[in-house]
Amino acid sequence: GAVVSQHPSWVICKSGTSVKIECRSLDFQATTMFWYRQFPKQSLMLMATSNEGSKATYEQGVEKDKFLINHASLTLSTLTVTSAHPEDSSFYICSARAAARGANEQFFGPGTRLTVL
Amino acid sequence: GENVEQHPSTLSVQEGDSAVIKCTYSDSASNYFPWYKQELGKRPQLIIDIRSNVGEKKDQRIAVTLNKTAKHFSLHITETQPEDSAVYFCAASIGTGGFKTIFGAGTRLFVKA
Repeated sequence: GAVVSQHPSWVICKSGTSVKIECRSLDFQATTMFWYRQFPKQSLMLMATSNEGSKATYEQGVEKDKFLINHASLTLSTLTVTSAHPEDSSFYICSARAAARGANEQFFGPGTRLTVL
Repeated sequence: GENVEQHPSTLSVQEGDSAVIKCTYSDSASNYFPWYKQELGKRPQLIIDIRSNVGEKKDQRIAVTLNKTAKHFSLHITETQPEDSAVYFCAASIGTGGFKTIFGAGTRLFVKA
C-alpha cells in the first residue's frame, strides 16, 4: 500500500510555456502533499506544502505565482510551472502524508524530470 | 526554521566494512527523523526512521541513533555491500502544529567490491 504516482515522468518544453505535473495517492487519502525540487547532485528542497481544500504554503524564495499548486482532493495535487525557463529545469518530486492520525511517514512519487529548452 | 547538516558528503568503504553518516538539526521541536536512500533518477526510499522518544533503532544491517540533547542523529550500516552504493539523505520533521520535512545535503556512499 501507500503508492504515490506522478505524471508525466518526464517533459521537455520550450521556454515560456507552462507545464502541469500531477501527483496522486493511489491507495490512501493524503491530508498533506509536498512538492520538492532537486537539482543534479543536490538535496531535495521543499518548495511548498499543500493541504486539501486550502491554499499552499510556500517556502521562502519560492514564487507562488510561478509555481501554482492546487490540491483539489485528498488524492490529487498539481504543480503548474508557469512561463518555464531553462533555470526551472529540474527533478520535481511530490510526496504525500497519510490522513491516519499520527502518521509521520511521507510517501514519495517517482519524480518528474522537467527540461526547458 | 529547521536546518539539517549532514556529513560526510562522500564516503567510500570496502565491502564488508561499516559506514556511518552523521546529521545535526537545529530545531528542538523536530520529533521525527527519517533516513532515505536514493538511487540515480529515482525517488527517495525510506530505509529507517526514528522518533524523538527513542534513542536507538535497528533493522538488520541498518541502525539509527538519536541524541536529542545534542541534536545529533546517525545512520550506521554494517557489513556493507556494493548494492548499498547510493545517496543517503537524513531528514528532520516537525510533526505537530503542521508538518514539514527538511533534508540534509546528502551523502554519496561508494561500496567497493
